[in-house]
Amino acid sequence: GAGVSQSPSNKVTEKGKDVELRCDPISGHTALYWYRQSLGQGLEFLIYFQGNSAPDKSGLPSDRFSAERTGGSVSTLTIQRTQQEDSAVYLCASSLEPARETQYFGPGTRLLVL
Amino acid sequence: RKEVEQDPGPFNVPEGATVAFNCTYSNSASQSFFWYRQDCRKEPKLLMSVYSSGNEDGRFTAQLNRASQYISLLIRDSKLSDSATYLCVVNRNNNDMRFGAGTRLTVKP
Repeated sequence: GAGVSQSPSNKVTEKGKDVELRCDPISGHTALYWYRQSLGQGLEFLIYFQGNSAPDKSGLPSDRFSAERTGGSVSTLTIQRTQQEDSAVYLCASSLEPARETQYFGPGTRLLVL
Repeated sequence: RKEVEQDPGPFNVPEGATVAFNCTYSNSASQSFFWYRQDCRKEPKLLMSVYSSGNEDGRFTAQLNRASQYISLLIRDSKLSDSATYLCVVNRNNNDMRFGAGTRLTVKP
């Protein structure tokens, strides 16, 4: 079946503009995760959703970052007033319940802030 | 201190070598553990789960030591295609997964 999809695959924006990144998880997966990966670095946890609620937002780097999930499916990550340090690959992953289930990653959105 | 720590490497080994990576985690309530593999400019993919009793999948062996809060991955008879970054993943609870920064492996001819 279809895997996790993300859009856009690449995004170039100017400093100060807002961007919206989209994630479509695997159908039926209740947990959804957002990560950020800078060039040559590991994954930085941003936020995760259980259904439509986000029990843990501790990874969001600043109040310019927000995320929502509707209908227990699609999620959007919004970055307001982008800065150059926001440039990274933003990865989305989803997983089934229960807690031992593994994550399936999307291909990521490569964001470049000029 | 990071919740999940790994030696970033790089580990440069010849084909056929045996190589081992360790990963430590700080949350003693962590429930499940995984190794993921990430190829250059690709998304991470599950390599194997790590079970309390240790488990093996072909040339790969994973072990968990709850008392010392570390997990390990052993790769025997390394192949060129094993070159990648290996990510240690810890599930704290309720699907809250945390990734290590990864250990980079390069297998050379």
